[in-house]
Amino acid sequence: GAGVSQTPSNKVTEKGKYVELRCDPISGHTALYWYRQSLGQGPEFLIYFQGTGAADDSGLPNDRFFAVRPEGSVSTLKIQRTERGDSAVYLCASSPTGRDTGELFFGEGSRLTVL
Amino acid sequence: DAKTTQPTSMDCAEGRAANLPCNHSTISGNEYVYWYRQIHSQGPQYIIHGLKNNETNEMASLIITEDRKSSTLILPHATLRDTAVYYCIVRPHTGKLIFGQGTTLQVKP
Repeated sequence: GAGVSQTPSNKVTEKGKYVELRCDPISGHTALYWYRQSLGQGPEFLIYFQGTGAADDSGLPNDRFFAVRPEGSVSTLKIQRTERGDSAVYLCASSPTGRDTGELFFGEGSRLTVL
Repeated sequence: DAKTTQPTSMDCAEGRAANLPCNHSTISGNEYVYWYRQIHSQGPQYIIHGLKNNETNEMASLIITEDRKSSTLILPHATLRDTAVYYCIVRPHTGKLIFGQGTTLQVKP
């Protein structure tokens, strides 16, 4: 049984470039979450999807960050005009529904380094 | 807006019980207590959750005080593979998890 898959596992880019990070949730999971984690810190919530729609995007730090989930499965986190402060591990999680017993299944993360 | 307080770090001898405390004095009546852990370079892993009753599963036990202002996660027989950061989170039954800094548990041989 496949878990949550995130690609790429590592991404190095230059300041100012555009980046896309992909998340494949567990099949059938309707809820999908994005977090980012800086070194030595706990994961920081970014956005939560229920199906195709963003149920809560209060954690997106600014308008350079955008996420989509057009068919209610795969999600893409998009970062425009990257800055060095965007360097972090970006974690994706899914759960069967947004109303279940609360177990989120996390992927291994995509490590983004902005030079 | 952290809603939980945990010690920064703890040590435990291999084979002994690890007792990880968490204070959540402002918890609301509809908020659950969740525990996750994160082993180095991996994504967080769900351990257990509860509302007001004590809970046990194959990984751990969760003891919640009667006033629900604090809880303790118990790993009954810690192994070296239990070395990780443990996060205590309070959350309504739906919605996002808000992680704090967690407790770094070091299990020593």
